[in-house]
Amino acid sequence: NAGVTQTPKFQVLKTGQSMTLQCAQDMNHEYMSWYRQDPGMGLRLIHYSVGAGITDQGEVPNGYNVSRSTTEDFPLRLLSAAPSQTSVYFCASSYMGRTGGGRHFGSGTRLTVV
Amino acid sequence: AQSVTQLGSHVSVSEGALVLLRCNYSSSVPPYLFWYVQYPNQGLQLLLKYTSAATLVKGINGFEAEFKKSETSFHLTKPSAHMSDAAEYFCAVSDLFTGNQFYFGTGTSLTVIP
Repeated sequence: NAGVTQTPKFQVLKTGQSMTLQCAQDMNHEYMSWYRQDPGMGLRLIHYSVGAGITDQGEVPNGYNVSRSTTEDFPLRLLSAAPSQTSVYFCASSYMGRTGGGRHFGSGTRLTVV
Repeated sequence: AQSVTQLGSHVSVSEGALVLLRCNYSSSVPPYLFWYVQYPNQGLQLLLKYTSAATLVKGINGFEAEFKKSETSFHLTKPSAHMSDAAEYFCAVSDLFTGNQFYFGTGTSLTVIP
């Protein structure tokens, strides 16, 4: 009963480096999303997907790419890391439709860009 | 567009006192409303949700919230605070028809004073 699994939990990058944050869910959720959490700003949506092969931008997509080749996985790629991308990143998933079931969150990835 | 406002970024209560965390929403259609709790260095956990059934919703850990359409509010309460309630609390609203997009408030940090 893993739920939403994020790896790594912690990461330090140098400016300009690239990396991929992994997210996997085992609940067969159609909807997956990435948020970043910064002090005083709550959670802001980066990208989301409503199913395999379908992705769309959220509120703060610049500097990030996503893909959804399978229902289970939704990786987030930082193309060229910048200090402004220092944040805590959360992946979340849920069923689609009028269920109102709420989002299931991973435990987060704490990223520092130096 | 939907939005959520959480009044008070920091709330302090004494152990055993009433907890009241405020959330007001803006939505042009009947909303789904949620409260999440985030303990230090952890992901978000669903506390409770309103999905157009009973207006008084009971959640985990003794919390409850009341949906008041006339006031566009969904305040979170707990009769008696416990030290373990110290955490960050987020209110969120989603669209009734698709449930695809979530809009989070900026969060309220609850401190419980012994």
